[in-house]
Amino acid sequence: DVKVTQSSRYLVKRTGEKVFLECVQDMDHENMFWYRQDPGLGLRLIYFSYDVKMKEKGDIPEGYSVSREKKERFSLILESASTNQTSMYLCASSLTWGNYGYTFGSGTRLTVV
Amino acid sequence: GENVEQHPSTLSVQEGDSAVIKCTYSDSASNYFPWYKQELGKGPQLIIDIRSNVGEKKDQRIAVTLNKTAKHFSLHITETQPEDSAVYFCAASKRNQGGKLIFGQGTELSVKP
Repeated sequence: DVKVTQSSRYLVKRTGEKVFLECVQDMDHENMFWYRQDPGLGLRLIYFSYDVKMKEKGDIPEGYSVSREKKERFSLILESASTNQTSMYLCASSLTWGNYGYTFGSGTRLTVV
Repeated sequence: GENVEQHPSTLSVQEGDSAVIKCTYSDSASNYFPWYKQELGKGPQLIIDIRSNVGEKKDQRIAVTLNKTAKHFSLHITETQPEDSAVYFCAASKRNQGGKLIFGQGTELSVKP
């Protein structure tokens, strides 16, 4: 079965810390995405990547950066965590450029205190 | 940019009844409309999708309809069962956007036995 694996299910970090959220897919998908999920706001796109070392800003990139050194791995980085970044973070992948369904990971619930 | 509005935010039905969730989109260039189901503690899972060259698509108890003129699409679940209880998200994307999906706010469906 195809999988998107997020390294942590729950994380608690302190304000000002640098935080890394890791995502790995085993489907040889070209596209990878990071969303955050907040009640009443749905899923909002932070960053996406359509190729190794390529990245594009989504709708809410402020305070975040990403890294994609290998095709299967897409990392989300919170340079200096703040309490308003407390959220559920979802990683997803899709086959290639064009409109295809996503496969999501199970999510990382991040709490910044 | 694209904006997707989803209604209702919560929906409660009796087992065996039908459930309908509606979404509207703003960008007439959007041409791909998937629906995702998110069960508690899991990432969203693709359940059905429709492309702009099709008006309706069915898969067993679920169906999606698309009205391009009005820019809205709907998810229909017939003969609901308790295991249909979940949060449902609609989304939209358009050609040449790298498969980037814009999601609605989500609908929490509760099916009462």
